[in-house]
Amino acid sequence: EAGVAQSPRYKIIEKRQSVAFWCNPISGHATLYWYQQILGQGPKLLIQFQNNGVVDDSQLPKDRFSAERLKGVDSTLKIQPAKLEDSAVYLCASSLGFPSGGFETQYFGPGTRLLVL
Amino acid sequence: DQQVKQNSPSLSVQEGRISILNCDYTNSMFDYFLWYKKYPAEGPTFLISISSIKDKNEDGRFTVFLNKSAKHLSLHIVPSQPGDSAVYFCAAKVSGGSNYKLTFGKGTLLTVNP
Repeated sequence: EAGVAQSPRYKIIEKRQSVAFWCNPISGHATLYWYQQILGQGPKLLIQFQNNGVVDDSQLPKDRFSAERLKGVDSTLKIQPAKLEDSAVYLCASSLGFPSGGFETQYFGPGTRLLVL
Repeated sequence: DQQVKQNSPSLSVQEGRISILNCDYTNSMFDYFLWYKKYPAEGPTFLISISSIKDKNEDGRFTVFLNKSAKHLSLHIVPSQPGDSAVYFCAAKVSGGSNYKLTFGKGTLLTVNP
């Protein structure tokens, strides 16, 4: 079974530029998550999709970040314009979307490491 | 406000010995707890979990203990192996509904020396 795919793996941009990240979840997974992991911190959820609908985007800085999951499969996360503090690893995860006993495993991709100069 | 805290940034143990990683939480609504393991340049991978209705869950060399009254959980690895060297994240969630949000701690870097 193929895992969660993300691209690019690394990106260096200057502040005020735009950047986009792509995620392809595990086949059949209804739920997709974008996390931001700043160096020395744990991952922080930015947005959760259930199929192509947004479940939680309470921690997404909506003035500069946007995300979409057209057709309920692939997803893109965009930052426009980028700030220095956006330097982080952006992790995509997916899960089946049918939790059993209150829990379901989230499978993470390798992440995209973003450096904003 | 950190709702999940891992106060030890790093831990070093000898191969064959026990590794104990600790985690504290402040949100009493959390009722499911997980440990993830992360190698460099890879995403976190699920290791073991525990529901708040239990106080212990075991899977091979890994055991998670939960003390609800103290809002504390710990991960025991026995015996520790060099391949266990990684960053371990504690995470917590509130069950129910369609929001599966995980709240993570900052992680503990475990180094197992041969």
